[in-house]
Amino acid sequence: EVRLLESGGALVQPGGSLRLSCAASGFTFTNYAMNWVRQAPGKGLEWVSGIGGSGGYTYYPDSVKGRFTISRDNSKDTLFLQMNNLRVDDTAVYYCARDSSWGAPFDSWGQGTLVSVSS
Amino acid sequence: DIVMTQSPLSLSVTPGQPASISCKSSQSLQHSDGKAYLYWYLQKPGQPPQLLIYEVSNRFSGVPDRFSGSGSGTDFTLKISRVEAEDVGVYYCMQSIQPPLFTFGPGTKVDIK
Repeated sequence: EVRLLESGGALVQPGGSLRLSCAASGFTFTNYAMNWVRQAPGKGLEWVSGIGGSGGYTYYPDSVKGRFTISRDNSKDTLFLQMNNLRVDDTAVYYCARDSSWGAPFDSWGQGTLVSVSS
Repeated sequence: DIVMTQSPLSLSVTPGQPASISCKSSQSLQHSDGKAYLYWYLQKPGQPPQLLIYEVSNRFSGVPDRFSGSGSGTDFTLKISRVEAEDVGVYYCMQSIQPPLFTFGPGTKVDIK
């Protein structure tokens, strides 16, 4: 069974930093591209980063480019999201999500971790 | 950037009745490989989203056959042939014609009358 377990969410002040983790199990982690998708309170879904299976390529939308860094440790089956210079509008539940082996995005999701940015 | 819109944004359905959600993209999602990269997700209350339909019309593993997807170009539709109580939640369409940039629609909230 595929399991994705996020952690690291917290209350942080504007301008602060936070590192999220996503522990994966139930599949061969290195064979799958992974992503972070967020959902602001009461709002819709926004993709915020993606990384290839080997970690050789990473992608970001303009809204987080230069502030967020996605990475992975395939020896520990763990995905990370380093978030710097956080803003109030970064407040959201952050989900890690796996791409399918044939390329369909987000075929499995974790339960999410809440990041609150407030002074 | 591609903008996704959905209609209606809210839908109240009697159990056993059909439901239909429209999704439109600001640019064609038809790839030169012949596929259209349009997906549907359902987020049930208190849960993360789950993949329902991939590449317009293919049901993901375990998705009941009362769900179907159709469309091409910029216009797509998700249909539920007979709504059940477990189908309540928010339905999102999403495009990936411009990978690795993914864009979700605003979501359509479905509840039971």
